[in-house]
This record gives sequence, structure tokens and C-alpha cells, in this order.
Amino acid sequence: GQNIDQPTEMTATEGAIVQINCTYQTSGFNGLFWYQQHAGEAPTFLSYNVLDGLEEKGRFSSFLSRSKGYSYLLLKELQMKDSASYLCAVSGALRSNDYKLSFGAGTTVTVRA
Amino acid sequence: DTEVTQTPKHLVMGMTNKKSLKCEQHMGHRAMYWYKQKAKKPPELMFVYSYEKLSINESVPSRFSPECPNSSLLNLHLHALQPEDSALYLCASSQAVLGMGQETQYFGPGTRLLVL
Repeated sequence: GQNIDQPTEMTATEGAIVQINCTYQTSGFNGLFWYQQHAGEAPTFLSYNVLDGLEEKGRFSSFLSRSKGYSYLLLKELQMKDSASYLCAVSGALRSNDYKLSFGAGTTVTVRA
Repeated sequence: DTEVTQTPKHLVMGMTNKKSLKCEQHMGHRAMYWYKQKAKKPPELMFVYSYEKLSINESVPSRFSPECPNSSLLNLHLHALQPEDSALYLCASSQAVLGMGQETQYFGPGTRLLVL
């Protein structure tokens, strides 16, 4: 089975940094994804990690440690528009034609002025 | 272009109605997905199509019937739904390839469904 854990809620101040952790236990591993979802909207793709280390994309960075089953999403210089739910998802397929993503429950980030 | 479109944006239907949700992508993706999402919950996978064939059905009740008429279109036919089926229905697509992020799923804006 697949088990993906992330905190339910986090609050931070505008301009600050927030780190959202995600731990996973999956039967296979082909990569880890982070999505952002604003209330009432569709998830949008933020980042993908398959190798250990840090991937940086502007204000957002994502880190992966495969041996620890651990990832984090780092949001720097927080802006009010970053208030959203952040979903950690794992591609854990064992079969080559299984493209399912297993999603964590999501972390709601609230940015305060 | 990473656009997936869905129609309608909103739908209100009675429990005896028949309606269809539509999804379209022109990214050349050969895997398409239907998800159901309730408020403050993650998307819940319903169906996966790969090369226009149904490859995964996550034990979805038969009142939901998917259809993939061609490689760009995905429909979800609804019949005799229950009020608890009210949710945001999301369509997504990806390349039908595993590895190196090629299975990244791109989501449409969703259809907000209310069953009365």
C-alpha cells in the first residue's frame, strides 16, 4: 500500500520562509511531485524530484531523500497569494503502465500580513 | 501548452437526471484521469485511461460511466447520482510513460457538481 504523511496546516508571515515536510512509504518509487491548489481551483504542478537533493525553482525549492522516504517543499519570501493547499504526491508504480499518483492529504498554508 | 479544459464549470442535477462531464487536452498525452475531490480532501482517483483503454477503475459505483472517444477527449457519464456524489470532479492528463517526471499530471479546472 501507499502511505503519505504531511502536516494539516501551517501559518506564516508575509516575507517569511515555510517548509512543508512529506514522508512516504510506497511499494515502488518513480518520483515525488508537489502541487499547489488554491481553494476551489485545480491543482497546479510545482516540482518533481526523483534523485536525492534539492531542486530550486525561483522562490520554491523541493528536496528529496529516498533513503529516508522524505521530502520537503520550501517556500521563500512568502506572498499572500501563496496561501493555498500544497499536495505531496508519489508515483509508486510497480508496473510500467501504472501512472497513478498517490496523494497526501495536503497542507493548508495561510500567509498572514 | 499544458492546458486541460473541462465543461461544464458548474452542474446542478437531480437524482434521476443523466448528464455528462467533458474533458479535452491537446498535449498529445495518452493517459487521462478522472478524480473526485471533496472539500479539504486530496483528489481521489476514479478512473485511468491509457491509449484510450480503461486501465484502472478504483471500484467506482456504476452510476459513473467513463468514456474515451479518442486520444484528446474523456467523458464521464452520470446517472442516478446521490447527494453524497456532490464534489469537484477533476480531469487530468499525462504522458503514458513512467520515469523522469514524464508521468506529471496536468489538471483541468474541474466541474463543480451539486446533486439535489
